[in-house]
Amino acid sequence: AQSVAQPEDQVNVAEGNPLTVKCTYSVSGNPYLFWYVQYPNRGLQFLLKYITGDNLVKGSYGFEAEFNKSQTSFHLKKPSALVSDSALYFCAVRDITSGSARQLTFGSGTQLTVLP
Amino acid sequence: NAGVTQTPKFQVLKTGQSMTLQCAQDMNHEYMSWYRQDPGMGLRLIHYSVGAGITDQGEVPNGYNVSRSTTEDFPLRLLSAAPSQTSVYFCASRTGPSGYTDTQYFGPGTRLTVL
Repeated sequence: AQSVAQPEDQVNVAEGNPLTVKCTYSVSGNPYLFWYVQYPNRGLQFLLKYITGDNLVKGSYGFEAEFNKSQTSFHLKKPSALVSDSALYFCAVRDITSGSARQLTFGSGTQLTVLP
Repeated sequence: NAGVTQTPKFQVLKTGQSMTLQCAQDMNHEYMSWYRQDPGMGLRLIHYSVGAGITDQGEVPNGYNVSRSTTEDFPLRLLSAAPSQTSVYFCASRTGPSGYTDTQYFGPGTRLTVL
């Protein structure tokens, strides 16, 4: 079975500081990893994904994520946070080598608050 | 393209009532799915479809029915609403079942309250 853990329910960071939102995963085969962002009263918006290749993936709005196979992690990062980055962030995984290949499994979400 | 659309945006039901949440996409995606979002639990898959006429259960299917008569539409039916079904419901779509690397697009959600 595939699973995702986001160990922090809440992350607070000052505007202009770097931010990290943590994600670890568990799959039996090769993972496809995704980050989504949800603004209040909105649907989920795609930020970035890791499929294969370079471990550092760049996405929308200046976000990036680093795939670390040995630590089974896919942390979301941004060098300089903006107040407008405040939102709920979800990590998701898809394991194509299992029977649930069609399904995305989501973490519980991390609420990011960027303080002015 | 409108992307993935959902109606209604908000709905209040009484226990035992039935209703249908509508979902449509105009991207010609084969794969569509329904999730529910509850605080602290992320998104959980209710049902999914890999094409017209084909549906399957996800993680939390009890109390819900789906059908897929066209590529564009994937309605979710609550048969007899219960307070435990109070949640925010999201519809999503992506290209066909072989599109493992493809991005999944989400609708704006339906906020359902069951009294």
